[in-house]
Amino acid sequence: DAGVIQSPRHEVTEMGQEVTLRCKPISGHDYLFWYRQTMMRGLELLIYFNNNVPIDDSGMPEDRFSAKMPNASFSTLKIQPSEPRDSAVYFCASSLVPGLGDTEAFFGQGTRLTVV
Amino acid sequence: GIQVEQSPPDLILQEGANSTLRCNFSDSVNNLQWFHQNPWGQLINLFYIPSGTKQNGRLSATTVATERYSLLYISSSQTTDSGVYFCAVILNQAGTALIFGKGTTLSVSS
Repeated sequence: DAGVIQSPRHEVTEMGQEVTLRCKPISGHDYLFWYRQTMMRGLELLIYFNNNVPIDDSGMPEDRFSAKMPNASFSTLKIQPSEPRDSAVYFCASSLVPGLGDTEAFFGQGTRLTVV
Repeated sequence: GIQVEQSPPDLILQEGANSTLRCNFSDSVNNLQWFHQNPWGQLINLFYIPSGTKQNGRLSATTVATERYSLLYISSSQTTDSGVYFCAVILNQAGTALIFGKGTTLSVSS
């Protein structure tokens, strides 16, 4: 398997524009996670899905953020409208059932978002 | 309160030195992972180790679940070991997603 695949790797956009980040999890993984990394807050969980269903979105910072998982092999994180404070690296990760045996999470290479 | 605490926050080593990184966590865990974030930002899996000891080349890790800590040992460090080392856990009472510590930034010079 190619691992978790994210696109784009880098995104520069102007304040107010819509941004869509994409993720393809490892085939067969039941869980998909979106994280955001900033200098101030470190790596923080935004939302996660189990079998394509959002389970916990308490980490989504505002209504400007939304995430979907239309099928087992694709998820999107959308920011509309984007603001400069959204600038960060966004990671997607996937795993089998967490905490059940050897079920480590694997991360994609991240999308570095810059909002100017 | 702080759920995952890593120490030291920063570490500077000469090539060839050994080091120990520590991760304390606030509750029992059913998952603990160590990651290395390289200078390009990639998060690389090092160990899945909710308990016990594992070794992989120059790296080894030990988790003492009953005392709520994990240690990552790096022996004969190389410049390519530089980066940030993260400990991340799934606490038994806190859901299904990894919670990350703030990391230890390691700089190895030749």
